[in-house]
Amino acid sequence: DIQMTQSPSTLSAAVGDRVTISCRASQTIGDWLAWYQQKPGKAPKVLIYQVSHLEDGVPTRFSGSGSGTEFTLTITSLQPDDFATYFCQQYDRSPWTFGQGTTVEIK
Amino acid sequence: QVQLVQSGAEVRKPGSAVKVSCKVSGGTFRNYEISWVRQAPGQGLEWMGGLSPLFPTPHYAQPFRDRVTITADESTNTSFMELRSLRSEDTATYYCARDFGAKSYFDLWGRGTLVTVSS
Repeated sequence: DIQMTQSPSTLSAAVGDRVTISCRASQTIGDWLAWYQQKPGKAPKVLIYQVSHLEDGVPTRFSGSGSGTEFTLTITSLQPDDFATYFCQQYDRSPWTFGQGTTVEIK
Repeated sequence: QVQLVQSGAEVRKPGSAVKVSCKVSGGTFRNYEISWVRQAPGQGLEWMGGLSPLFPTPHYAQPFRDRVTITADESTNTSFMELRSLRSEDTATYYCARDFGAKSYFDLWGRGTLVTVSS
């Protein structure tokens, strides 16, 4: 199975900050990577697919980059609604696997 | 607008089974695959398996292969996930999620069904 490792596990930031979350795959996954946001008690919501494609309706302050095994989610100018947990997921090879999550907390 | 509507919370005893449903509302059920993803309290996301009505054989993650069965009823646009031989570690929220098959991410999720396993 492909292991997905995110860093950091927790991140403290203030409104307006630029935030970067990393995700590493244990083997190359091409560009088959998605990012999800999850708030407490809610289902995950896709933000980005295929590394850098923004899902419809997602604010442009979210962006994704990377290739092969190293990927990044960036939030420019963090907003109050962005405090949540973020997961990366590979969909190159079954079983589909997720990173362990990064929680963005209010500083 | 397509929605995935899941059945309500369940409480089960260890050793028993639970069957959770996910009804596809407002869409054409057979055009995509429905997967099941679980999340233990305070933990990450774990894909369990998935099934497309177009391909009758589901595929499962290895840890669940012996205990889970995913089925689909096209007449009611509903996917089902049955988990057997429940143990306390199976206490989790179970989500159904839609994808479009190979090389496809989960673009739509149900609200989740909390399954509590307790004696």
